Order: sequence, then structure tokens, then C-alpha cells
Amino acid sequence: QVQLVQSGAEVKKPGASVRVSCKASGYAFSRYHMHWVRQAPGQGLEWMGIINPNDGGTGYAQKFQGRVTMTRDTSTNTAFMEMSRMRPEDTAVYYCARVANQCLDNWGQGTLVTVSS
Amino acid sequence: SYELTQPPSVSVSPGQTASITCSGDKLEYKYASWYQQKPGQSPVVVIHQDTKRPSGIPERFSGSNSGNTATLTISGTQAMDEADYYCQAWDSSFVVFGGGTRLTVL
Repeated sequence: QVQLVQSGAEVKKPGASVRVSCKASGYAFSRYHMHWVRQAPGQGLEWMGIINPNDGGTGYAQKFQGRVTMTRDTSTNTAFMEMSRMRPEDTAVYYCARVANQCLDNWGQGTLVTVSS
Repeated sequence: SYELTQPPSVSVSPGQTASITCSGDKLEYKYASWYQQKPGQSPVVVIHQDTKRPSGIPERFSGSNSGNTATLTISGTQAMDEADYYCQAWDSSFVVFGGGTRLTVL
């Protein structure tokens, strides 16, 4: 079955960077786009960007341009999301989610990133 | 940029029908999906491509999309359906989410 397993919770100081991983199994990793979505405490879902695992092509929401980088490692079927210059308002649960059937059909368990001095 | 608008909250009595709307410009020309999220859990897709129900999703969940409005309908609502629901559409390859609707079953 499809599984997306994300890395564990992180605590970062303002100005630091964070890297979250998303290891895929149960399907052909390169054939399905991967998206990253975040959710601040008590807030809604916020789309961050997309990566095509086949060629590494990316697209980012304008809000995160210049601060987020999405990459992948096809040898380990893992997608990565790195965000720099973290601020307290970036405290959120970060999710990876696979695209199939024109929807985000499988989601990771989420990674809580806390930004605090 | 493209925007989707949902009511912040909807209430329904057990066994009744709940309808949650999602509005966006010419939404009917984009595929709409709906996600259910319970506290502390990851979102789960309940409707995709306007009307399609993934395997494992109960038949009481249905969707429609016409004009500027997509609608998620839950027939015979159960207590377990109490959750936040998000609509989603595509703006080219980019994802757009609605602000979410809290469904209360009381």
C-alpha cells in the first residue's frame, strides 16, 4: 500500500533552516508529483509547492519563493522540503502529499516544526 | 491568484443532510476535491474530480460542481463525520485550498 513517512518533529530558532523528509513506498515514486502543504496551529491548509520526482522540476507558491527548496532522491524514494530564515509564524505541521486522480490522494503523517527562541 | 471560499462552520443534526459549499470563479471548469480532517490527523480525500468517491469512503459522501460552486453533501450524517472539511482546486499545476469548514453534528 502507498505510504508516505515523514521525519520527526523539529525545534528551530528564528533565522535557522529546517529540512523535512518524506519517504515514499508502495508505488513508483517517480511517476507521481509530490506536494507540500503546511498547517499552522488552529489554521487551515496552506499549499507550499510541488516537485516532479521524475525530473526534479519544482513550482512554489509565491509566498515561499526564495525561502523554500524542494528536492528529491530517487535512489531512496524520498522527497525533501527545506525552508530557510524560519520565523515564529512558520510554526506549523508540514505535510507531504502525493497527487493521483487529480487530488492529493495520500498524505504523510505530518511533521511539527516549532520556531522559537 | 485563484481563491476558494467556504463557510467557516456548518451544523447538522444526526441523520440529517449536511451541505458544504465552495465558491470560486468558474469553478465548474476546474476539478474540485474535498478533504476531511479530524483533530490531530492528516487530511483524507473524500471526493475527487467533483463527484468521485475513493474506495473506503462511505456512500453518504457525494459531490457536485456547477457554475461557481462545488458542494459536498453528507447524507444521513453521523457523529463520526464531525470534522473540518477543505475544498481544493487546481490553478494550473498549483493547488488552491478553501479556508475550511468545521462541521458540527449536534
